[in-house]
Amino acid sequence: EDQVTQSPEALRLQEGESSSLNCSYTVSGLRGLFWYRQDPGKGPEFLFTLYSAGEEKEKERLKATLTKKESFLHITAPKPEDSATYLCAVQAVGDSSYKLIFGSGTRLLVRP
Amino acid sequence: ETGVTQTPRHLVMGMTNKKSLKCEQHLGHNAMYWYKQSAKKPLELMFVYNFKEQTENNSVPSRFSPECPNSSHLFLHLHTLQPEDSALYLCASSPGQGREKLFFGSGTQLSVL
Repeated sequence: EDQVTQSPEALRLQEGESSSLNCSYTVSGLRGLFWYRQDPGKGPEFLFTLYSAGEEKEKERLKATLTKKESFLHITAPKPEDSATYLCAVQAVGDSSYKLIFGSGTRLLVRP
Repeated sequence: ETGVTQTPRHLVMGMTNKKSLKCEQHLGHNAMYWYKQSAKKPLELMFVYNFKEQTENNSVPSRFSPECPNSSHLFLHLHTLQPEDSALYLCASSPGQGREKLFFGSGTQLSVL
């Protein structure tokens, strides 16, 4: 069964303390992996799409990487405004083009 | 107004009530989605419409009835709900080719008493 697991469930960092969030996936074949950010009371907001192992994408303090079994979201020198829930989702080969399998998310809190 | 707009933001209903959730997108997209987000659970895809035609129904109970009159509007009609249906209901849109990033609304927080 296709599955997406995110860890840790929650993470507390001091401002400036770099860390990584993990998204491991089990699918028959990967079409694409998506990262979203969700603030309280809002819908998820798109961050990155990765398609093949070895691919990397960057945006400000965030960098997403992909291997054949997992993806990492690296946060460098985070600021309090980076506090949010980060969601990972995969699209699997053989599934509908519109279907995404989401993980449960990592709640990130960055303290000043 | 831009983006994806959902109304109402909050809804409390009894199990015998009938209510509707509304979603409107101003992005010129052709695909629209309903997702359910329960506490500490992954987002669950409920329905997908592409060019007003339903392309996905993820085994959703019949007490949830979607309607897509055109590519810009999506409704979710609710009747005879159960307390376990309490959740955040998110609408999203995408250009319509599949395998694309989604643009989400802020959701309707539903409580069923």
